[in-house]
Amino acid sequence: TQLLEQSPQFLSIQEGENLTVYCNSSSVFSSLQWYRQEPGEGPVLLVTVVTGGEVKKLKRLTFQFGDARKDSSLHITAAQPGDTGLYLCAGPLGSGNTGKLIFGQGTTLQVKP
Amino acid sequence: DTGVSQNPRHKITKRGQNVTFRCDPISEHNRLYWYRQTLGQGPEFLTYFQNEAQLEKSRLLSDRFSAERPKGSFSTLEIQRTEQGDSAMYLCASSLGTDSGNTIYFGEGSWLTVV
Repeated sequence: TQLLEQSPQFLSIQEGENLTVYCNSSSVFSSLQWYRQEPGEGPVLLVTVVTGGEVKKLKRLTFQFGDARKDSSLHITAAQPGDTGLYLCAGPLGSGNTGKLIFGQGTTLQVKP
Repeated sequence: DTGVSQNPRHKITKRGQNVTFRCDPISEHNRLYWYRQTLGQGPEFLTYFQNEAQLEKSRLLSDRFSAERPKGSFSTLEIQRTEQGDSAMYLCASSLGTDSGNTIYFGEGSWLTVV
């Protein structure tokens, strides 16, 4: 059974601090995605990582895909209040290119000014 | 706005009543997905369509739930005889459904509260 576990589940930090969110699985994924979701809204795709060991940067956000393609991390440098939200990792559910996704339970980030 | 549109955004209903949610995907997107999300959890896959064909239903989709996409454009998700455990946000998403265009775009969700 595919499962994505995120840690930590909750994170409350001060503006300017750095943080890392982890997404782990015992299953190999062909790709992993990271989404950000604000209260009352749908998830918005941030990045897709495809190659084991891949690192992608999006401004102050750095995403890494594990060498074995079983885990991923999201690192935020100098967090800002605008980074507050629910961060979700997701991977393809099942086989085939169906677009179905399995999500982690999410990490709720609160950045205090 | 050309994103995925869902309505109603919020619905409060009494236990036992039926509710229906509508989703209008991004124009020309062949695939349409329904997910359910409860507070503090990630979305869970419910079902998906390729054009008008419903290709897969999750075991989470009990027989009280039915989804349709009659003309391959908009979709409806109906919940019959609602229960308190149905309270959640129901998310619709769509994608082109091609190897080069399989990015999933989510709507803003429809919140259901069953009282």
